[in-house]
Amino acid sequence: GAGVSQTPSNKVTEKGKYVELRCDPISGHTALYWYRQSLGQGPEFLIYFQGTGAADDSGLPNDRFFAVRPEGSVSTLKIQRTERGDSAVYLCASRLDMNTEAFFGQGTRLTVV
Amino acid sequence: KQEVTQIPAALSVPEGENLVLNCSFTDSAIYNLQWFRQDPGKGLTSLLLIQSSQREQTSGRLNASLDKSSGRSTLYIAASQPGDSATYLCAVDTSGSRLTFGEGTQLTVNP
Repeated sequence: GAGVSQTPSNKVTEKGKYVELRCDPISGHTALYWYRQSLGQGPEFLIYFQGTGAADDSGLPNDRFFAVRPEGSVSTLKIQRTERGDSAVYLCASRLDMNTEAFFGQGTRLTVV
Repeated sequence: KQEVTQIPAALSVPEGENLVLNCSFTDSAIYNLQWFRQDPGKGLTSLLLIQSSQREQTSGRLNASLDKSSGRSTLYIAASQPGDSATYLCAVDTSGSRLTFGEGTQLTVNP
């Protein structure tokens, strides 16, 4: 596709449920990032993939959060036992390499009720 | 740990004014710095990328400068328009593996 695509655009879930958020990066981009953004704040780093492997997952807040990128393209961010504090916009970005621009998707707004 | 600060947090100007947004970072060993704009409820749109070896980059009415040694970047917007109203975010790549963002400057350009 022309840009980074994230689905769904909005997700409302009940506390304690499991959710999956999907990111389709720009074709050919080997680097993929997940960020989380709360209202009025800058994006907060969660995890970085280089190809299929998670090169840096130090931003994941706890073991309820997990992300995969099995074929080096689409990535899924998985959140178990959701809590109200997980409510935020989850942003995905991709770039060709560390010397090029990062492009962001429109985000998934997650609301945990 | 890299920390990025953007000043001011909010700025309101009349249409046509030239303006400067500021970004400072604590670790000067960076790969590059990128400026983004974010419209309400939307994702981030890339504006300019400056490599660590560069001093400035220009795109249309936008000019971004980088002074790596002092840990500063500025985004200059010439002849501002109401359509420029958005939040502007600065992001620094220190490790080659992640971008560290500031909190953003919320710009309002009044017609």
